[in-house]
Amino acid sequence: GENVEQHPSTLSVQEGDSAVIKCTYSDSASNYFPWYKQELGKGPQLIIDIRSNVGEKKDQRIAVTLNKTAKHFSLHITETQPEDSAVYFCAASRTGTASKLTFGTGTRLQVTL
Amino acid sequence: NAGVTQTPKFRVLKTGQSMTLLCAQDMNHEYMYWYRQDPGMGLRLIHYSVGEGTTAKGEVPDGYNVSRLKKQNFLLGLESAAPSQTSVYFCASSYSQARAGSYEQYFGPGTRLTVT
Repeated sequence: GENVEQHPSTLSVQEGDSAVIKCTYSDSASNYFPWYKQELGKGPQLIIDIRSNVGEKKDQRIAVTLNKTAKHFSLHITETQPEDSAVYFCAASRTGTASKLTFGTGTRLQVTL
Repeated sequence: NAGVTQTPKFRVLKTGQSMTLLCAQDMNHEYMYWYRQDPGMGLRLIHYSVGEGTTAKGEVPDGYNVSRLKKQNFLLGLESAAPSQTSVYFCASSYSQARAGSYEQYFGPGTRLTVT
């Protein structure tokens, strides 16, 4: 089955700096890569996703890059704000299989003033 | 729209007791999922359903059963709870087809279960 590794497990940045979270996956057939944000006491919420036919996707301060050859994808958050503090999860799946997601182990991002 | 709701929010069980967690969604989603979240392990899929009356095993199905008698509800049962089932349980739902290229799963607020 799919295996997703995520690094780092914790990340502390100053407000206004950039944050980068990296994930690798093992199943070359995976073609959908979402990122979820989980705030304390809440369920995860999708913030951005990318499909394998695209190398990069951007949404305001958030961007995701995908390198299919290396089986590697990353989340980039620019101009971080205190409200970006949360746990972020990457995931991978093959579309067409009930979108069964395999999640990474999460990154706790702390944005300090 | 309430989205995805889960009941109860918290529960403490003794080893060997049984219970059912209820998930409800009002978005007319075809697919529903149950995950467990443990520290340092992310979310792991327990069971999922692609439609009313159908269920399938996920990554960690042992010790759990599920039922989807109605499209909007997905029940997770623990027949004989064990301390290893202490976890936070999340239900999620999604459309069967991509919407605007996304296969977004919508998560409920979670149920924190402690088995002593």
